[in-house]
Amino acid sequence: DTGVSQNPRHKITKRGQNVTFRCDPISEHNRLYWYRQTLGQGPEFLTYFQNEAQLEKSRLLSDRFSAERPKGSFSTLEIQRTEQGDSAMYLCASSLVDRRNSPLHFGNGTRLTVT
Amino acid sequence: QKEVEQNSGPLSVPEGAIASLNCTYSDRGSQSFFWYRQYSGKSPELIMFIYSNGDKEDGRFTAQLNKASQYVSLLIRDSQPSDSATYLCAVPNSGYALNFGKGTSLLVTP
Repeated sequence: DTGVSQNPRHKITKRGQNVTFRCDPISEHNRLYWYRQTLGQGPEFLTYFQNEAQLEKSRLLSDRFSAERPKGSFSTLEIQRTEQGDSAMYLCASSLVDRRNSPLHFGNGTRLTVT
Repeated sequence: QKEVEQNSGPLSVPEGAIASLNCTYSDRGSQSFFWYRQYSGKSPELIMFIYSNGDKEDGRFTAQLNKASQYVSLLIRDSQPSDSATYLCAVPNSGYALNFGKGTSLLVTP
C-alpha cells in the first residue's frame, strides 16, 4: 500500500493557461474523489468516480473543470483557462466501494498558484 | 446540501487537559459522521467515524453523537502538543462523497 499519489506537488501557471493534475489511488480502491481546499476552509467536494464512471459532480464545479478516469485506475483533473480564483490545494482521495462508511484516504495534494 | 458547522477557533488548551471539539449538522437524516485531523500543509487523515448515538472511544479520542440535538463532538484526553492541528468534521452527502466543515484549529500549549 503506497498510498494515494498526486503529481505535481506544486504548479504555478499564468492566468488563462490550462493545467492538468494526476492522481494515482490506492491500488485496490475503486472510488476516487477530487476536492479543492483553500486556506482556512475545509475540503470542498468537486467530483467522484466509481471505477471509470463519473457518478457525481458538484453543482459548484465550473465547466472549465473536467476530470477523467479512463481505465478505472489513475485520474486526471484539467482546469482550462485558469483564473486567479482557482488558486488552491487540489486533493485526491480514494476509498473502497464495499461499504458506505469506508474512509477516504487523501493524497498529499497539488498546490496550484495562478498568477 | 448537507451542511456542517464548526467553530474555527483557535481552541487553546494546556498540555494534559481535555480538548473538546464540536460540530453541528443540518440534515436530521445524516447517519454517519467522520473526524479528520489535518496538520498544517498536510492532507487530512481519518481519526474516527461514528454512526450510533452515544460515545465511541479509541485510545485518547472519544467521539460523541447526539442525533436529537444534531451535534457530534470529539474529545481528546491528555492533550499533547503533537495534537495541535485542524480537526475537520464531515458527513456523507447524498452520494458517497463527504461534506466537510471548515475545521477547528486546536493549539495544545506545553
